[in-house]
Amino acid sequence: NAGVTQTPKFRILKIGQSMTLQCTQDMNHNYMYWYRQDPGMGLKLIYYSVGAGITDKGEVPNGYNVSRSTTEDFPLRLELAAPSQTSVYFCASSDTTGINEKLFFGSGTQLSVL
Amino acid sequence: GDSVTQMEGPVTLSEEAFLTINCTYTATGYPSLFWYVQYPGEGLQLLLKATKADDKGSNKGFEATYRKETTSFHLEKGSVQVSDSAVYFCALRNVDSNYQLIWGAGTKLIIKP
Repeated sequence: NAGVTQTPKFRILKIGQSMTLQCTQDMNHNYMYWYRQDPGMGLKLIYYSVGAGITDKGEVPNGYNVSRSTTEDFPLRLELAAPSQTSVYFCASSDTTGINEKLFFGSGTQLSVL
Repeated sequence: GDSVTQMEGPVTLSEEAFLTINCTYTATGYPSLFWYVQYPGEGLQLLLKATKADDKGSNKGFEATYRKETTSFHLEKGSVQVSDSAVYFCALRNVDSNYQLIWGAGTKLIIKP
């Protein structure tokens, strides 16, 4: 089972460049999330989606955009990369929320902006 | 606001040693508490959880007890194996933060044979 697949695993960007982090899941989960993890810090929620066509901001959305045209895919777009966006990015999905929630994560994307 | 604090790593132990990874939290009310684990090259996965005070979550030989009086959810295992080497994340979900898990920074565990 593939689960949650993120690509790429590593990327180096120059300041001002744009890129899309891809995330796809094959579990038919409605809920999907993008997190970032800075060194020595906990994961911070960037954006989330409760189903196709519905997205909302998390704790740290500035500098990012998302879309959810299908249940499977939840890409994260960086329009004008800045050094502050150097981080590890995780995509996750779940079939429910609340106390019975169980998140399934991708293996992460390590992004450096130089 | 709500927060989670974990002990800094890396934690290095010999095989068959006893493991404790500390996790304390600050939150109003009665949050649910989670431990997630990330094995090398993989995504995070749920290890165990507890949803109310004095609950004990357990899985794969790991245990953690929800202690309201000390606002803690320490992870323990009686005898670790090399295969337990991973990064462990403590997290909480509060009833007032519907979609937001609050995460600790993670603790890297290294088990030497």
